[in-house]
Amino acid sequence: QMQLVESGGGVVQPGRSLRLSCAASGFSFSSYGMHWVRQAPGKGLEWVAVISYDGSDKYFVDSVKGRFTISRDNSKHMMYLQMNSLRVEDTAVYYCVRPLIAVFGYDVFDIWGQGTMVTVSS
Amino acid sequence: EIVLTQSPGTLSLSPGERATLSCWASQSVSSNYLAWYQQKPGQAPRLLIYDASTRATDIPDRFSGSGSGTDFTLTISRLEPEDFAVYYCQVYGSSPRSTFGGGTKVEIK
Repeated sequence: QMQLVESGGGVVQPGRSLRLSCAASGFSFSSYGMHWVRQAPGKGLEWVAVISYDGSDKYFVDSVKGRFTISRDNSKHMMYLQMNSLRVEDTAVYYCVRPLIAVFGYDVFDIWGQGTMVTVSS
Repeated sequence: EIVLTQSPGTLSLSPGERATLSCWASQSVSSNYLAWYQQKPGQAPRLLIYDASTRATDIPDRFSGSGSGTDFTLTISRLEPEDFAVYYCQVYGSSPRSTFGGGTKVEIK
């Protein structure tokens, strides 16, 4: 079945870096733009970043621009979120998400991973 | 950027009652590209409704979405015990970036 599995979360000090990974299976990964969505403890959902099916287009929420990068390896069915200069306010569960259909910009989030927790704390 | 405001913040109802959740957009939503998600504690969100009124796969017909322009509604016709959760609306399609509303918690009265 279609599945997304995140990994790489953990506890990190402010200013440090962390790389999240998302392993996809059960669908044609290379056809879909892929997203990261996060949720701070007890808070709502916040879209973080998207990468197009071929990695040529990338967009970020303003609060992470210049600090986070997104990438993918279609041969491995993997997506990554490199998080640098982490801040306390980046503390959240990070979800890897696939849209319902493979049309860039039609971002109805159909398949969600289980999430990986990132805690930024001194 | 479109800002979504959900109301009420919390809805206290009993099983069997009707739930009406609202989502207001700061500007008109193109092509009614609005979705609703359900999230239970400790779980990832689940897609319920997209394009304002289309139910996602395997979503019971007690869930319905309506609205256009800036005003949207999610209705749960008769609440089942498993429906008590937090519900989010989301706008999409106008740019590669998405925006979520702040959420409505439906709790047992």
